[in-house]
Amino acid sequence: TQLLEQSPQFLSIQEGENLTVYCNSSSVFSSLQWYRQEPGEGPVLLVTVVTGGEVKKLKRLTFQFGDARKDSSLHITAAQPGDTGLYLCAGGAPSASKLTFGTGTRLQVTL
Amino acid sequence: DADVTQTPRNRITKTGKRIMLECSQTKGHDRMYWYRQDPGLGLRLIYYSFDVKDINKGEISDGYSVSRQAQAKFSLSLESAIPNQTALYFCATSDSQEGIAKNIQYFGAGTRLSVL
Repeated sequence: TQLLEQSPQFLSIQEGENLTVYCNSSSVFSSLQWYRQEPGEGPVLLVTVVTGGEVKKLKRLTFQFGDARKDSSLHITAAQPGDTGLYLCAGGAPSASKLTFGTGTRLQVTL
Repeated sequence: DADVTQTPRNRITKTGKRIMLECSQTKGHDRMYWYRQDPGLGLRLIYYSFDVKDINKGEISDGYSVSRQAQAKFSLSLESAIPNQTALYFCATSDSQEGIAKNIQYFGAGTRLSVL
């Protein structure tokens, strides 16, 4: 069974601070996705990375796929209250159409 | 209207009762999934279906069964509910035409189930 561990599990910061969330595994993934989930809703895709070392930016969010495609990070610059939510990474295994989801990081950004 | 609709949104039931959670989608996707979410455990796959005639067990299928009534409908049943099945349940869809590298999943809003 492939496992994806996220750290930290919880993060409470003030508006304007920077933060990094990590997603680690001992398994190789063909793709890595990041989702954000808000209370009362299902997860919504933020980004997909497929190449080792790939970096993608989405406004203040920067996503990186590790060179060996076993890990990923999400960096948020100048966090805002609207960034509050549960962040989930999800790995796609080669030749499989299932995703393995990480354990989740709950982020709270306060004024 | 939501592309992936789950009913009911909330359900309280008693131990031993049979319960069905329903999911319907208007995205035209061929693949559908059922997950459960527990704090600190992320999303765990219960069952998945790649088309109407293809049903597969996920990592935690014990105590659950599914039915793919049509391409757009995928229901999850708990034959005899037990308290440790109390969780948030999500249905998701994906399109095989997007390719394995993408495999973007679209989620419903979830069903919060409590088994007393």
